[in-house]
Amino acid sequence: ETGVTQTPRHLVMGMTNKKSLKCEQHLGHNAMYWYKQSAKKPLELMFVYSLEERVENNSVPSRFSPECPNSSHLFLHLHTLQPEDSALYLCASSQKSLGTNVGNEQFFGPGTRLTVL
Amino acid sequence: AQSVTQPDIHITVSEGASLELRCNYSYGATPYLFWYVQSPGQGLQLLLKYFSGDTLVQGIKGFEAEFKRSQSSFNLRKPSVHWSDAAEYFCAVGIDRGSTLGRLYFGRGTQLTVWP
Repeated sequence: ETGVTQTPRHLVMGMTNKKSLKCEQHLGHNAMYWYKQSAKKPLELMFVYSLEERVENNSVPSRFSPECPNSSHLFLHLHTLQPEDSALYLCASSQKSLGTNVGNEQFFGPGTRLTVL
Repeated sequence: AQSVTQPDIHITVSEGASLELRCNYSYGATPYLFWYVQSPGQGLQLLLKYFSGDTLVQGIKGFEAEFKRSQSSFNLRKPSVHWSDAAEYFCAVGIDRGSTLGRLYFGRGTQLTVWP
C-alpha cells in the first residue's frame, strides 16, 4: 500500500449503531487529519493529531471520537449518529516540523462515504 | 478570520479551450497556497503549491497558478483543457502559525465540466 488508505470505502449505519473509520498513512508523516465533506459546503476540519498533540474543531459533536494510536494510524469512532452526519469523511496526513507549520502540504485518502439512516 | 473564496461554483469549457479558475483569500500575511483536484468518488490530489519565490508555479497535469499579492489571488490556469480534467477543484490556504497546527482553509470548490 502507498499513500493514504481508508477503510471502509462505503458505510451505511443506523442511528443506534457504533462503527469506526480507519485511516493509515504510508508516507512517514507525523500529522494526521479528519475532514468532513458535505455537499455544497467547504471541507470541514474535524480533528488534527500532530506531534502527539490533538486539536479539535469545537463545533464537532461528541458523537465523533478520534483515536490516534501511533503516527501511522487514525480512527474515527462513530456512535448515535444523525442523518445529517451523512457525508464523505476524508483522512489526510502531512509532515510537520517542530515550531513551524511550514511544509503543511496534506496528502488525502480516498474517503469513506458514510450514510446514516 | 481567514477565508478562501472561489467565486465560480461551476465552469463549463470546451475541450482544447483555455481555463482559469479563480481563488481569493483573506489573510494579513502571505499564506501558503494550494490547489487540489477531486475526481468523483476520490480524495483530493495536490496539483500545485506556492510557499515563496517565483509567483508563477507549475504543477502536475499541465496546470499553473500565479500568486498576486496585490489582489490576494491565486488563480489556476491551463492553456488547453482535456476531457479528463473534468473534476472539482479546491483552493486552499495554509497559515504558518503555531496555534493552527498546519490547518488548511478550503474554498467551496469549482466544478469543471468539459464539453467534447
